[in-house]
Amino acid sequence: DSGVTQTPKHLITATGQRVTLRCSPRSGDLSVYWYQQSLDQGLQFLIQYYNGEERAKGNILERFSAQQFPDLHSELNLSSLELGDSALYFCASSVGEATTTGELFFGEGSRLTVL
Amino acid sequence: QQQVKQSPQSLIVQKGGISIINCAYENTAFDYFPWYQQFPGKGPALLIAIRPDVSEKKEGRFTISFNKSAKQFSLHIMDSQPGDSATYFCAASKTGANNLFFGTGTRLTVIP
Repeated sequence: DSGVTQTPKHLITATGQRVTLRCSPRSGDLSVYWYQQSLDQGLQFLIQYYNGEERAKGNILERFSAQQFPDLHSELNLSSLELGDSALYFCASSVGEATTTGELFFGEGSRLTVL
Repeated sequence: QQQVKQSPQSLIVQKGGISIINCAYENTAFDYFPWYQQFPGKGPALLIAIRPDVSEKKEGRFTISFNKSAKQFSLHIMDSQPGDSATYFCAASKTGANNLFFGTGTRLTVIP
């Protein structure tokens, strides 16, 4: 158990809809990262927050947004969903702001299926 | 553009054999190279990591070999066991960066 909690584990929705994925980081971790995992693309970095502030953006679509709340939990919002958004979405946390200062602890992921 | 290229995509090894997974990168600013292990239904977990000041790092049956001039690094799993069957991801980052660039993963199957 990594200590990172993600909900929901599975989500099935229709095209055009909006969903919210939730992540609770390990106790004491200030950084939260969101990754998208698809079969052919591997793990793609979406966005990182550190202590409530956005720190880095990767290949995140404009239809997607995220935030980190004062209690350090984070939410990833996916809107106007398309079939291609079907994937496993991982949240990870770390103590520090930079990835080279320590390991990332991953949750078990939220599997999104868009029909 | 894939920052880290990983091969092979899948690998089947007999129990007791050596599993070798290779990765290559282009950005010479990268100075942190971790490997993550992912079991089905679980998130990736850090297995072992290396920095370019050493050419090899060993932890138990797992060894990272690093070739700075070739911009390549590899994971060797000695005496592979069925319990090692998982997907392995190499990754790279640079000091101060906020992102880990992952390879596309290698699905390892160890046959009893």
